[in-house]
Amino acid sequence: EPEVTQTPSHQVTQMGQEVILRCVPISNHLYFYWYRQILGQKVEFLVSFYNNEISEKSEIFDDQFSVERPDGSNFTLKIRSTKLEDSAMYFCASRTGLAGGNIQYFGAGTRLSVL
Amino acid sequence: DAKTTQPPSMDCAEGRAANLPCNHSTISGNEYVYWYRQIHSQGPQYIIHGLKNNETNEMASLIITEDRKSSTLILPHATLRDTAVYYCIVIGSGGGADGLTFGKGTHLIIQP
Repeated sequence: EPEVTQTPSHQVTQMGQEVILRCVPISNHLYFYWYRQILGQKVEFLVSFYNNEISEKSEIFDDQFSVERPDGSNFTLKIRSTKLEDSAMYFCASRTGLAGGNIQYFGAGTRLSVL
Repeated sequence: DAKTTQPPSMDCAEGRAANLPCNHSTISGNEYVYWYRQIHSQGPQYIIHGLKNNETNEMASLIITEDRKSSTLILPHATLRDTAVYYCIVIGSGGGADGLTFGKGTHLIIQP
């Protein structure tokens, strides 16, 4: 069964460093998402991406964050200058077009630890 | 999107049906009810969704009241692997790349 894959599973970085989290969505999907979950808290929506541009973003997704689909398969989240409070699980998700409803398929996540 | 209310936690015996309620009294006519779950720290997993009719798939059944103000997710024969946080999410059917708004959900614990 096709799945969303995320790498790395765990990323450790120093405060102020840039990190890139990588995702390979399901191949025929058209909508791509990033969410984060701080330990013990709710899953929070960050950004959605469709047709090579951002469709929707939350208040969390400030200028420190950017997303990119550099080729036909990868979808990346970049955090320019990490802060301690960026430590969280980051989940990528994807879904088909509108006919499939809002059924999003999530990856296993990347745990980001900012020291 | 309409707000949802779920109990914070529930217990269920293994092999019994688990019935998870959700209130969404402000739901509007074009909004669907979706259920996802999150096992430990894994990525959320889609379970089922519906508009107004009851729905069933290989994982669960979804019962939506006639006035659509509440719904119940039913796991017919719960197993230990069904221990997870279950999220009820109401979202419109309109076009667009809608992000999901997760609440705190219901932590379902299946007891052996």
